[in-house]
Amino acid sequence: GAVVSQHPSWVICKSGTSVKIECRSLDFQATTMFWYRQFPKQSLMLMATSNEGSKATYEQGVEKDKFLINHASLTLSTLTVTSAHPEDSSFYICSARGGAGGYEQYFGPGTRLTVT
Amino acid sequence: GQQLNQSPQSMFIQEGEDVSMNCTSSSIFNTWLWYKQDPGEGPVLLIALYKAGELTSNGRLTAQFGITRKDSFLNISASIPSDVGIYFCAGQPTTSGTYKYIFGTGTRLKVLA
Repeated sequence: GAVVSQHPSWVICKSGTSVKIECRSLDFQATTMFWYRQFPKQSLMLMATSNEGSKATYEQGVEKDKFLINHASLTLSTLTVTSAHPEDSSFYICSARGGAGGYEQYFGPGTRLTVT
Repeated sequence: GQQLNQSPQSMFIQEGEDVSMNCTSSSIFNTWLWYKQDPGEGPVLLIALYKAGELTSNGRLTAQFGITRKDSFLNISASIPSDVGIYFCAGQPTTSGTYKYIFGTGTRLKVLA
């Protein structure tokens, strides 16, 4: 139980294009999902908190117009990197809140984005 | 963003040895989670702790929620090569109204066969 999937697992795009990453909770409903970014050999950096049916809450320093988040259903959240640039290249990981106590976070396998 | 102090930063151990790592914070936390991350993959939840003083095991792994609610410990007994990876702690501050977690800086574990 508590499986989270992400698609695609890796993507290469040209500078100036947009990329959409999907995050799905496969066997549970997730009212809250989180999007993280991770640089090599570093910890996870929270980008935004996504609640189903409402606007995402972005962390300080994260451009909401660049990283568009949509949480249209209890099992799906999407992150769109708009007008991507090489500095947006990173490992993006989503997580969904769930579990017996409702306080656990389960992570997706991550998406490696490379912008050329 | 804010991060927890996690130590050690990295460690090399011989197969069969026990491993200990910890996370500390200046804030009080409601919940502690411990994760393991393999290269190129998302973190996998190992243990969740909900009460101060709680001691929970998952196979060879044992984690404790510090009595002061400002720290947590993870122990791995009789390490094996597949224990290699990065271990992260994550704590939920009492002030977190949206279930946000703060992540530790990670402990990179290497096991020598």
